[in-house]
Amino acid sequence: ESVLTQSPGTLSLSPGERATLSCRASQSVSRNYLAWYQQKPGQAPRLLIFGASSRATGIPDRFSGSGSGTDFTLTINRLEPEDFAVYYCQRYGSSPWTFGQGTKVEMK
Amino acid sequence: VQLVETGGGLIQPGGSLRLSCAASGFTVSSTYMSWVRQAPGKGLEWVSVMYSGGNTYYADSVKGRFTISRDTSKNTVYLQMNSLRAEDTAVYYCASSSGWYPSLDFWGQGTLVTVSS
Repeated sequence: ESVLTQSPGTLSLSPGERATLSCRASQSVSRNYLAWYQQKPGQAPRLLIFGASSRATGIPDRFSGSGSGTDFTLTINRLEPEDFAVYYCQRYGSSPWTFGQGTKVEMK
Repeated sequence: VQLVETGGGLIQPGGSLRLSCAASGFTVSSTYMSWVRQAPGKGLEWVSVMYSGGNTYYADSVKGRFTISRDTSKNTVYLQMNSLRAEDTAVYYCASSSGWYPSLDFWGQGTLVTVSS
């Protein structure tokens, strides 16, 4: 079973800075079926990135995804106040559709 | 596209509950439909998925206790939860793909299930 490990657990940054979030899989993610979600308190998750690097509809271009195999990265350029949230990676397409434990991006 | 979950509530350990996810704007049998849960203050946990062809898959934590199904006439997906435990307490989200590709593009607002005596 593939485990996804996200790091760091918490990222303390200021608006305008760049956030770099990591997601490492214990087994290679086939077909780059790796997604990133954003979740704010009291809200459902929102799909940001699918296929490791494709932005979902309506997602600003300051969000970008990269990586393949077992190592993936979500980069948020020029953090906006609304970007402070928890971010999850997920492998999908073959069971189990595992989530990482999340990275909280908080305002410094 | 809209997903609306219902059926959550307070249930005693060992009890059963059925969650519903009513979809609009697309056909549930044409895409991937999944349930994801989130325990209070915790991260997301994938629970189950049903493929368009009818195949179903479950997390080990719920296998043998939970069953995902769909009713195409009502365009609704269900999660039948039996033998509930305290650790099943969570907000349960219904999520769907937008077509043939399996990423979870759309999410409902969630329904809270509390397992407690």
